Amino acid sequence: ILNVEQSPQSLHVQEGDSTNFTCSFPSSNFYALHWYRWETAKSPEALFVMTLNGDEKKKGRISATLNTKEGYSYLYIKGSQPEDSATYLCASADRGSTLGRLYFGRGTQLTVWP
Amino acid sequence: EADIYQTPRYLVIGTGKKITLECSQTMGHDKMYWYQQDPGMELHLIHYSYGVNSTEKGDLSSESTVSRIRTEHFPLTLESARPSHTSQYLCASSLGPNTEAFFGQGTRLTVV
Repeated sequence: ILNVEQSPQSLHVQEGDSTNFTCSFPSSNFYALHWYRWETAKSPEALFVMTLNGDEKKKGRISATLNTKEGYSYLYIKGSQPEDSATYLCASADRGSTLGRLYFGRGTQLTVWP
Repeated sequence: EADIYQTPRYLVIGTGKKITLECSQTMGHDKMYWYQQDPGMELHLIHYSYGVNSTEKGDLSSESTVSRIRTEHFPLTLESARPSHTSQYLCASSLGPNTEAFFGQGTRLTVV
């Protein structure tokens, strides 16, 4: 079982603030790192899947970086909006996870106040 | 938009009843998963399947069972529900660990 940790557990910001979250995972046998956004009453939705050390991905105001050697990933949201309010999940897969199974952190719950 | 569906969304049922949670996907994915989540906790894998007639138990011990008779269908069954089964159950499918997983909307089960 992989130990995936996310911080902070929750975050409250004002509209327009930029914010970032951290995900740490075991660096040995690393295969892939996933970020998901989970809005209340909806399905978790993939933001990014990253596999290479140094990967940086961007989708609109959201971006993510990956450091596989030290075992962490950052998710950044620039100019947070109320619609960004959600739980952000990080999940890791290792080279033994040939069946695509992911190990999830507990998530960071983001609330953006107007 | 994800083509994976779970029913029911919410279920309140009495102790001792048999229940089946349905999960279907139309993407042709071989790999399907059931996760369980309690409030404030991680998603824990309870069952997975890598194709028709293949199922395995996940990391979290569960009294539920699953079947995979068709690629698109991965139902989860509890023969005798207990209050300890109260939780949220999420179904997912994917092509592999380096591709995104698609999730259903979840079933929130309450056993009274």
